[in-house]
Amino acid sequence: EAEVAQSPRYKITEKSQAVAFWCDPISGHATLYWYRQILGQGPELLVQFQDESVVDDSQLPKDRFSAERLKGVDSTLKIQPAELGDSAMYLCASSHTRRPYEQYFGPGTRLTVT
Amino acid sequence: GDSVTQMEGPVTLSEEAFLTINCTYTATGYPSLFWYVQYPGEGLQLLLKATKADDKGSNKGFEATYRKETTSFHLEKGSVQVSDSAVYFCALWGYQKVTFGTGTKLQVIP
Repeated sequence: EAEVAQSPRYKITEKSQAVAFWCDPISGHATLYWYRQILGQGPELLVQFQDESVVDDSQLPKDRFSAERLKGVDSTLKIQPAELGDSAMYLCASSHTRRPYEQYFGPGTRLTVT
Repeated sequence: GDSVTQMEGPVTLSEEAFLTINCTYTATGYPSLFWYVQYPGEGLQLLLKATKADDKGSNKGFEATYRKETTSFHLEKGSVQVSDSAVYFCALWGYQKVTFGTGTKLQVIP
């Protein structure tokens, strides 16, 4: 069964350092999402791509976060500089264009900022 | 804006007990409703969905009915197993994005 791949699974970094996360969606899924999940809360959408284009990044803190999906397949989310409040689980999801409500999630990257 | 409210956890049940996790929502229009499950150390998995009023979504023994009059989508299971221990998220699809509730942790003890 096809799955969304994410790496790394865990990342510990110091405050003010740069960190990057990678996501490979299910083959054929044109829509890709990055979510942030703070412990004890539900996922919050950071950015949504349709192919290589950003559809929604209204909740992305653009002063320190960036996301790209250059070839419309895999994607990278970067934080620079990291802050203590960025400690969270970062989830990637993908969906077929015709069924955007059926999102398939990767295992996530748990980020700890010290 | 859209919002989803779930009952707070954790919910602790004995094996074979009946499960109900309450979920209510606020949305304009006619959203689609979902339950996702997150097992320890894993990402979210779509458990079931309902796309219009009075629809019943079901999967793996879990059920939820879309109640427009009470704006609710409560999750139920007749007999829980230890393997059902996880965090359950209610969510809605509206205005081209998913809004999640805060999650309810379920712990089933033998």
